[in-house]
Parts: sequence; structure tokens; C-alpha cells
Amino acid sequence: RKEVEQDPGPFNVPEGATVAFNCTYSNSASQSFFWYRQDCRKEPKLLMSVYSSGNEDGRFTAQLNRASQYISLLIRDSKLSDSATYLCVVRNTGFQKLVFGTGTRLLVSP
Amino acid sequence: DTGVSQNPRHKITKRGQNVTFRCDPISEHNRLYWYRQTLGQGPEFLTYFQNEAQLEKSRLLSDRFSAERPKGSFSTLEIQRTEQGDSAMYLCASSDSQGAGQPQHFGDGTRLSIL
Repeated sequence: RKEVEQDPGPFNVPEGATVAFNCTYSNSASQSFFWYRQDCRKEPKLLMSVYSSGNEDGRFTAQLNRASQYISLLIRDSKLSDSATYLCVVRNTGFQKLVFGTGTRLLVSP
Repeated sequence: DTGVSQNPRHKITKRGQNVTFRCDPISEHNRLYWYRQTLGQGPEFLTYFQNEAQLEKSRLLSDRFSAERPKGSFSTLEIQRTEQGDSAMYLCASSDSQGAGQPQHFGDGTRLSIL
């Protein structure tokens, strides 16, 4: 079992739709949580950090449930430019390395 | 451009050859990381430096792989006697050590193809 699990998708949605991605992690020592975005054949780019209280950045909302070891990302009013792979990422206590999920692919169509 | 810089962008080589990649981190970042990514997978951690000290190494980093950061600035990753399975994107990232949970910022990567 992978340490960070994501549905690989793809999720096909029309422009303007709301879409949610989920991610689970298995290590209870996970301390920091992030969503990264990766375009095809490009490097991962930080989308947002995820905090226990939940946080929002424009059309993007991230939630963390430590008890269930579950992270979510909600994208409202999807744009064509949101088409990408979204990587769920954790960092465990005492380590600096990031542990990535396999990513969830999103395709937004006109 | 003050981001993480990697070169070369692409490297094609024959099996058995040695290759070396370079990474220049964001200038004020003292932490530097190497990851490897294959098609359809997320990046996998290889190794981590704080300044010139190599503090974490993955089991993925076999004895054919060596990484250095001699002056605590740029880093090199060398693969000796390359194998087909080494074909991947090699990503470098850097971060600040101030505070907890500092995000890592990635370079464009070096895409390695083994013939």
C-alpha cells in the first residue's frame, strides 16, 4: 500500500463545474500537507499548503482531517487552465523529504 | 530568474555510460533535495542536503548514484553505469529552513533517456 493514495482519474468536467479531489495518508506522523499542481512534462508547483483549520485561496479550498488521515481539495468554477495533475503531498515528523501521491488528473473542457 | 535551475534539460545516453546533472537552488535556500519521477507516478525522494551536509538518503539511491553539494550552494547528481531503469525525470528542489513546513520549490528537471 502506498503511503499517500489518490484516485488517478482522469476527472473530466465542464468549465464552471465544481470538482473535489480526495487523498488519504497512512503515516500518523505526517506533519505538513500540501497540494502541488503539475502540468504535462513540467515540474510540480506548489498550489497551497493545507492547514488543520482548512484554508482557501481564491477558487481553491483545502481541508485536512487528521483523525481520518484525509486531505481534500475543492476547485470551484473550473477553468480550462485548471487542467493538470494535482499531487497530494505529505511530510513526516523528523524528516524533510516530501512523500507524493501518484496524482489526480483533471481535464476541464469547454 | 531566481528560481531553481537545472541542467541539462535533456540527456540521452547509452546504457553503461556515466551522467552528471547540476542543480542551482534559490539563492537564499540552504536546503536542497533530489527526486526522481517516472511516467504516471509522483516524484520519489532520493536525497536531501542542508548546506553541504547530506542528511537523508533513500534506499532508491543505489551505490551507482552519488550526490554532492560541496560548498553548500549548487549540487550535482551522478549516475554511474546507467541502466534502462534509470530513465526518468530528475527533479531538484530547494527550501528555506526557517520555521516548520516550508514548501519546496522545484526546478524544471532533467529528463534522462537511456538507449
